[in-house]
Amino acid sequence: AQTVTQSQPEMSVQEAETVTLSCTYDTSESDYYLFWYKQPPSRQMILVIRQEAYKQQNATENRFSVNFQKAAKSFSLKISDSQLGDAAMYFCAYRSEGGADGLTFGKGTHLIIQP
Amino acid sequence: DAGVIQSPRHEVTEMGQEVTLRCKPISGHNSLFWYRQTMMRGLELLIYFNNNVPIDDSGMPEDRFSAKMPNASFSTLKIQPSEPRDSAVYFCASSRRGRGGELFFGEGSRLTVL
Repeated sequence: AQTVTQSQPEMSVQEAETVTLSCTYDTSESDYYLFWYKQPPSRQMILVIRQEAYKQQNATENRFSVNFQKAAKSFSLKISDSQLGDAAMYFCAYRSEGGADGLTFGKGTHLIIQP
Repeated sequence: DAGVIQSPRHEVTEMGQEVTLRCKPISGHNSLFWYRQTMMRGLELLIYFNNNVPIDDSGMPEDRFSAKMPNASFSTLKIQPSEPRDSAVYFCASSRRGRGGELFFGEGSRLTVL
């Protein structure tokens, strides 16, 4: 079974600075998807960014980018120019390429933005 | 397009009562998932359906939990009888297979069992 590990329960960053959230995973599969979801206090699960394992290029979405290291099974999220609205729980998630069996989530990282 | 719709948003009940949570997936999505979120255990997959058929319910904690999907646009998660340890946020999510793997989540149902 796949596992996802987020080793940082909480991170804090100054507004406008850059922060990186870590995620590692374990799998024997070669094709899969990786995701970062954001959960603000409203508890809505919001997709931040997605990476297909077969793509070598790191995904980017505006201020959000990932560092995907397939061999190391590492998938970190970088948030540039942090904003107060970025404060939330961030979950790293894995899904098999076949996609039939849902997402496996890490425990989450609570991101605090200091004004 | 409407997203995944869950009801109720909040439910407070007493131990021993039956609880039914409802979900309407996004139209055209053929996979539906029920997750439970607690502080201690994080996000756990309880059960998922493909084309309305339950595929894996190994995450369902015990026989008190049951889920159905009578058609492509509706699913229920039922707890009978409920216990205080069932207190959690329950999420429903849907996806279209082979389309990037993303799950779309509802807003969740917060259940409190007294």
